Amino acid sequence: GAVVSQHPSWVICKSGTSVKIECRSLDFQATTMFWYRQFPKQSLMLMATSNEGSKATYEQGVEKDKFLINHASLTLSTLTVTSAHPEDSSFYICSPGATEAFFGQGTRLTVV
Amino acid sequence: GQQLNQSPQSMFIQEGEDVSMNCTSSSIFNTWLWYKQEPGEGPVLLIALYKAGELTSNGRLTAQFGITRKDSFLNISASIPRDVGIYFCAGVGGGADGLTFGKGTHLIIQP
Repeated sequence: GAVVSQHPSWVICKSGTSVKIECRSLDFQATTMFWYRQFPKQSLMLMATSNEGSKATYEQGVEKDKFLINHASLTLSTLTVTSAHPEDSSFYICSPGATEAFFGQGTRLTVV
Repeated sequence: GQQLNQSPQSMFIQEGEDVSMNCTSSSIFNTWLWYKQEPGEGPVLLIALYKAGELTSNGRLTAQFGITRKDSFLNISASIPRDVGIYFCAGVGGGADGLTFGKGTHLIIQP
């Protein structure tokens, strides 16, 4: 069964609205969660690292006020894309920091 | 962020042929990983390499961690239609958090 559960699997939203993506670790406690973004026909790029109980760290060029990350418990990390624009349309994937073996199913975000 | 140099970008082969792809980096990595990704899904780990020089097999797949820790290759023997997909290499370390991914190799198998 799935070790990491990511929801939703796809979402379409209007420009200017916010979208929340959830990532749950099902069988273990994840103190760290990596959030990746993948544009069409490109590789996965690390956006940010969420840390349970503390602030997330963001990669260079990723706006922390636009991509809000919350890691309030050892089993749940969320990524909120605020004031979404069409250029935010992408495939977002989470992965627990404790293991490189598992990724979420991914969320296809389309901003219209 | 940094990326690994993965080649080839795409491969068109006949069923039954062997496949070889590789990744190189200017940075040293502590772990090399190979993933396969299907459209609309997250990557699935195929092989993990933890030691320089390590050669590991998983069925028809064989991968090696380069002795310099700056490269790795993946071989697929006797390809079958189900092998179609995008293969990514990834490294752990190199001064970065998380995984650093290659740009992917798109494997296409012609009937």
